[in-house]
Amino acid sequence: QVQLQESGPGLVKPSETLSLTCTVSGGFISSSSYYWGWIRQPPGKGLEWIGSIYYSGSTYYNPSLKSRVSIAVDTSKNQFSLKLSSVTAADTAVYYCARFLPHSDWFDPWGQGTLVTVSS
Amino acid sequence: QSALTQPASVSGSPGQSITISCTGTSSDVGTYNLVSWYQQHPGKAPKLMIYEGSKRPSGVSNRFSGSKSGNTASLTISGLQAEDEADYYCCSYAGTSTWVFGGGTKLTVL
Repeated sequence: QVQLQESGPGLVKPSETLSLTCTVSGGFISSSSYYWGWIRQPPGKGLEWIGSIYYSGSTYYNPSLKSRVSIAVDTSKNQFSLKLSSVTAADTAVYYCARFLPHSDWFDPWGQGTLVTVSS
Repeated sequence: QSALTQPASVSGSPGQSITISCTGTSSDVGTYNLVSWYQQHPGKAPKLMIYEGSKRPSGVSNRFSGSKSGNTASLTISGLQAEDEADYYCCSYAGTSTWVFGGGTKLTVL
């Protein structure tokens, strides 16, 4: 079955850019049925949708983060990535990647998540 | 785009039923029948429990059910079991290709 795995630095300095990659296994990211998304969860808090991408490159972003977020896809590596610029301590969170089925609108499965801490 | 409103906590005894509400607006929950629910155990990734408001994915117990009335969606868990103790989050389509989550509800099985 499809599995997702996040990877990237666990520590990022304030004002710098957070970069994460999600590797998809057990299925093709170029599947026409699915989108791929990023969701984050600050420690002890709730989930926040960051954005989603289709294999063709079409992207959708949370309006509150849109000016700082970029999501890209690399079909040759079966990966998609997240960049979040000008980070502050408020961006400290566990970042999850997940598969998304449009029109039914569910996220499943999810990666295990990776904690990114913003600190100098 | 504001987070959907969920109670911070609910509790129930084994065997009982509980309901978790998820209140949005006419711009999200009230207009679209696209609410999903996720269960999250401590330190784990969320797991899909309900989609399209009331549909269960394969493998999810039929003790879990979903419904909607107006701007409020609900998740009901019947026959509570100790393993149901977790955090639960709702999520809704919010229009213009955006999605919004609820703040989460901690379920305690007494």
